[in-house]
Order: sequence, then C-alpha cells, then structure tokens
Amino acid sequence: GENVEQHPSTLSVQEGDSAVIKCTYSDSASNYFPWYKQELGKGPQLIIDIRSNVGEKKDQRIAVTLNKTAKHFSLHITETQPEDSAVYFCAAIWEGGSYIPTFGRGTSLIVHP
Amino acid sequence: DVKVTQSSRYLVKRTGEKVFLECVQDMDHENMFWYRQDPGLGLRLIYFSYDVKMKEKGDIPEGYSVSREKKERFSLILESASTNQTSMYLCASGEPTGSDTQYFGPGTRLTVL
Repeated sequence: GENVEQHPSTLSVQEGDSAVIKCTYSDSASNYFPWYKQELGKGPQLIIDIRSNVGEKKDQRIAVTLNKTAKHFSLHITETQPEDSAVYFCAAIWEGGSYIPTFGRGTSLIVHP
Repeated sequence: DVKVTQSSRYLVKRTGEKVFLECVQDMDHENMFWYRQDPGLGLRLIYFSYDVKMKEKGDIPEGYSVSREKKERFSLILESASTNQTSMYLCASGEPTGSDTQYFGPGTRLTVL
C-alpha cells in the first residue's frame, strides 16, 4: 500500500518568514495530493491540492509543488502570519483506484509574532 | 456551506461501556470515513463506507464497528470501550472524484476511564 512520509514534525518560524513542509510518497499510482490545515479544536480543512499533471499550484501566500519522478511534494507558505499556526497534513490519493487518502503524520507549524 | 457534524465534542466513558459516535453530513456524499487522531501518529483510518449499508475496514478496525443505515449518517461503535481507545475521533465525507475528496467534522475527544 501507499506510504506517506512528512517532514518536519514541528516547524517554528518568525512572522514574515517562509515555511516549507515536505512529503514523499511510495506508490507511483497516486495522482492527487491535497493539503489540510487543522486549527486547534477543529477538524482538518482542505487548503490546496495538486494533481499529477501539474508541477506547481499557487493560491495567494500558499503554493504546492510536485516532483513526480522523485515522488515528493511540498507546501510553501510565504510571509507567514500568526494565524498560519496549525497542524498541516499532506495526503496522497489514487483517483481512479481506491480513492482512499493516505495521510502524512502532520507538521505542527508555530509562527511567532 | 458544507457541513459535517459530530454528535459530541467531548465524551467521557468508563471501561467496558458501549459507545456510539454519530456523524451526519449534508452534502449527499457517497463516501464517509472514521479516523482516529493521536499525537505523532497522524490520521489513521478505522472504517469507511462508500454506500448505504456498505462498510470496509481501514487500517485499525479492531475494537470498532460501524453502521450506515442512511446516506447522511455514519456511526462508529465501540462495543466495549478500553482505555487505549482514548483519542480524538474525526469523521469525514467526500465524493470519489474531484477536489471534494474529504470534508471533516470538528472531532470528538473521547476519554475512557
């Protein structure tokens, strides 16, 4: 089955800095890669996603990149703000197959004002 | 606005009790999921359902069962609660294709004494 590794487990940055979270996956059949943000006391919420036919996707201060050959994808947050503090999860899914996501273990991002 | 609701935010039960966790979605999604979230372990899939009365085991089904009698409702049952089932339980729903992969509820923090 699919295995998703996520690093780092904790990331501490100063407000205004950039933050990068990296994930690697094992199953080359995976073709859809969502990222979720979980704020304290809430369920995870989809913030951005990318499909395997695209190398990069941007939405304001967040971007995701995908390297299919190396089987890794990354979340980039620029100009971080205290409200970006949360746990972030990556996932890999085989659309057209099981559709069941395999999640990384999560990264706790702390943005210091 | 899409919504996944869970019956309780916090629950305290005693060892050996039967516990019901309820989840309701209002998006007419086919797929529903139950996850368990523990620090450092990320999201682990307990059970999922892709249709009414259908269920499939996830990665950690032992000690749990589920029921899906109506499309909008997916219940997680702990037949005889044990202390190692103390955890955060997250319900999610989604469609098998497109970016509507998973919408999560707010979670139920279950403590088994």
